[in-house]
Amino acid sequence: GAVVSQHPSRVICKSGTSVKIECRSLDFQATTMFWYRQFPKQSLMLMATSNEGSKATYEQGVEKDKFLINHASLTLSTLTVTSAHPEDSSFYICSARDLQLAGGTGELFFGEGSRLTVL
Amino acid sequence: GENVEQHPSTLSVQEGDSAVIKCTYSDSASNYFPWYKQELGKGPQLIIDIRSNVGEKKDQRIAVTLNKTAKHFSLHITETQPEDSAVYFCAATPNTGFQKLVFGTGTRLLVSP
Repeated sequence: GAVVSQHPSRVICKSGTSVKIECRSLDFQATTMFWYRQFPKQSLMLMATSNEGSKATYEQGVEKDKFLINHASLTLSTLTVTSAHPEDSSFYICSARDLQLAGGTGELFFGEGSRLTVL
Repeated sequence: GENVEQHPSTLSVQEGDSAVIKCTYSDSASNYFPWYKQELGKGPQLIIDIRSNVGEKKDQRIAVTLNKTAKHFSLHITETQPEDSAVYFCAATPNTGFQKLVFGTGTRLLVSP
């Protein structure tokens, strides 16, 4: 199946700093990627939909100025957590859809996740 | 919006037994229902999915059933093995573009040797 790669897998930062997480589709092009957040022992919550060449669409309650999303190419989306605080510590997971699979409906592939710890 | 409930939250079985995880959804327009397996510290991995025009789908030891009238779908794992131990999530997508997924709350499956 298609591969979605995230980097870094783990990051520790000080409160007040910004952290960038990359999501790449390695063997397919993705006009749309999705960013999820998962707290320990909880489900995945969609944060935003990243659209190549246009602004991201944020879910209700997600601060767009805090979680900056850039989808500059068909294979790369980035999530920047700005002015991070301890409550932003979480597992961030991206996903992308390969529209060439499944008759065009597109199976959704997930990255391995990035664990952010804010001290 | 769509709401997906999942039960049980934890499930312990003996190796070789069957495991069943159930999900219900609220939006009758939902038409795609994937199941994901998530191992500790990793991203979810699709294990099986079903579309609303099908009532059942099977892939070796894994099967999924869908009851559109009752708005529920279930994951069945037969002949469980210790490596099946993980957290399983069901999901539903409320629109025809298969875009957004709404996830269930997860089931932690433990298969004891």
